[in-house]
Amino acid sequence: TQLLEQSPQFLSIQEGENLTVYCNSSSVFSSLQWYRQEPGEGPVLLVTVVTGGEVKKLKRLTFQFGDARKDSSLHITAAQPGDTGLYLCAGAKNTDKLIFGTGTRLQVFP
Amino acid sequence: NAGVTQTPKFRILKIGQSMTLQCAQDMNHNYMYWYRQDPGMGLKLIYYSVGAGITDKGEVPNGYNVSRSTTEDFPLRLELAAPSQTSVYFCASSYSYTQYFGPGTRLTVL
Repeated sequence: TQLLEQSPQFLSIQEGENLTVYCNSSSVFSSLQWYRQEPGEGPVLLVTVVTGGEVKKLKRLTFQFGDARKDSSLHITAAQPGDTGLYLCAGAKNTDKLIFGTGTRLQVFP
Repeated sequence: NAGVTQTPKFRILKIGQSMTLQCAQDMNHNYMYWYRQDPGMGLKLIYYSVGAGITDKGEVPNGYNVSRSTTEDFPLRLELAAPSQTSVYFCASSYSYTQYFGPGTRLTVL
């Protein structure tokens, strides 16, 4: 089974702090996606990265795909309570089937 | 567009009972998926379909069956419910590597 390990598993921080979530694998992926899931809802796509070394910014969120396309990171600047949720990375290998990571549960306190 | 819809939202089953989880999408996507998500975890693929009449097993197919008679519908069948099938079930459809998720069905088997 190809595994995508996320770290940390849980993160509780105060509003205004910065944080980084990591997604690591021993496998190479053609693309990697990040989703956010709020309680009682399905995951919602945040970003897709496809090129090794690629960096994408979405307001206060910065996503990076590793040079070897085996890992990715999500950095949030000045976290807000609205960022609270479960963050999932998911890798694809030239198909529409995704392998989901283990998840990082983020809680941002006001 | 309603996107991906799932019914029911909640269900409690007794061991050995059977049920069908319904999933429908109105985006004319060929690819559809069923996932299960255990508490605080990522998603595991149960079954997927690349088009009407075509289905294939995912990572955890045992105890489940699917059918895909139309592009729109992709029901998931549990024949003999077991406590290990207590989970939240998500249906998704995809286009160009982006997956769109339904709101989920929370199933408890007692």
